Amino acid sequence: DQQVKQNSPSLSVQEGRISILNCDYTNSMFDYFLWYKKYPAEGPTFLISISSIKDKNEDGRFTVFLNKSAKHLSLHIVPSQPGDSAVYFCAASALQYNQGGKLIFGQGTELSVKP
Amino acid sequence: EAGVVQSPRYKIIEKKQPVAFWCNPISGHNTLYWYRQNLGQGPELLIRYENEEAVDDSQLPKDRFSAERLKGVDSTLKIQPAELGDSAVYLCASREGGAGYTEAFFGQGTRLTVV
Repeated sequence: DQQVKQNSPSLSVQEGRISILNCDYTNSMFDYFLWYKKYPAEGPTFLISISSIKDKNEDGRFTVFLNKSAKHLSLHIVPSQPGDSAVYFCAASALQYNQGGKLIFGQGTELSVKP
Repeated sequence: EAGVVQSPRYKIIEKKQPVAFWCNPISGHNTLYWYRQNLGQGPELLIRYENEEAVDDSQLPKDRFSAERLKGVDSTLKIQPAELGDSAVYLCASREGGAGYTEAFFGQGTRLTVV
């Protein structure tokens, strides 16, 4: 049962344009969502997060949007840069419930930003 | 501040041999995770510790996998005997713990190849 889904395995965008990465979840108990970026041969690094009491969180070029009714979140990168090329993972947690700090990850989307 | 440290970075073993991975989390982080990441997939939780207690080990194959976190700090993950299907990247992560909305930090991972 895949509770967190990233249906696009890859995405290619031009430098300077917007990158939009999508993530869907099925468990309504999830109340905290995170995006991680992963370069080859490295561990995932935290990028940005959002709690379920918000619908938007912004950090520089990165913005995460949460649509609770649709159980959908997205990561926007504007403008995209070649250094953003990596695999992006969406993760979810149900901190307020007995799931505690359990993080469940999606399959990842490989972003390629072309010069 | 030092991040999550894992060793070794790479390990190649023959099937049926034992193998162990070590993780030193960020100082003060109460929650420790072991994840396994197969090629092209997102990280999958194997076990989660809150201090020295394993609070979620439902996805740990207990017939061959074992883990410990002595004194609530360092942790070791062991496989005995290893099988070909165990080839993957094993990731350790830590988090402050508690009910607050805080992210988990990952180590660089150990890439295991079973031949």
